[in-house]
Amino acid sequence: DTAVSQTPKYLVTQMGNDKSIKCEQNLGHDTMYWYKQDSKKFLKIMFSYNNKELIINETVPNRFSPKSPDKAHLNLHINSLELGDSAVYFCASSHGRFAGSEAFFGQGTRLTVV
Amino acid sequence: QQQVKQSPQSLIVQKGGIPIINCAYENTAFDYFPWYQQFPGKGPALLIAIRPDVSEKKEGRFTISFNKSAKQFSLHIMDSQPGDSATYFCAASMGIDNQGGKLIFGQGTELSVKP
Repeated sequence: DTAVSQTPKYLVTQMGNDKSIKCEQNLGHDTMYWYKQDSKKFLKIMFSYNNKELIINETVPNRFSPKSPDKAHLNLHINSLELGDSAVYFCASSHGRFAGSEAFFGQGTRLTVV
Repeated sequence: QQQVKQSPQSLIVQKGGIPIINCAYENTAFDYFPWYQQFPGKGPALLIAIRPDVSEKKEGRFTISFNKSAKQFSLHIMDSQPGDSATYFCAASMGIDNQGGKLIFGQGTELSVKP
């Protein structure tokens, strides 16, 4: 069973469109994250949720809106997609929101904006 | 201050060699230092981690060396194998409630182990 699963794995869309990426974890964790990996493979956190509450928003543009309907799900909706949004987006989860808690990552969603 | 600097960017070794990847940080509030391994098309996976009160940690062929005074830590892979070929990321996080457990990643090192 996949611990952290994201859908879709690949997403190709045109500029200006709105798209969503879904994430689900079956580990019983209470903290979930979205990370962005750019073309140089640099990983940077975007958002962190704990028990459905937003904990971290790393100055991400308002076009990105995470939604956590419950502790096991954290979806990412992106409005008015731009070329610069092309990247691999990773969902992750951990038990607790403190240092030392292993983060488990999904397989990633490769978003290509054309 | 929240950066983690990683080097080298890429590394090629022969099978059996000992690749070493180095990381440095500035913020002394960091108190957890994991290393993640990422294969193409996959998400990062935790390899090994260390706290700053320990100078060395070994798990199988992987060893972290930690120098708190220099604010540096490194990953050593003993008897490297072609299957170790992947991208390696060091990271840091701090045990502060409002940091939400976020990981600050280094830039990554692409390791290639030749047969």
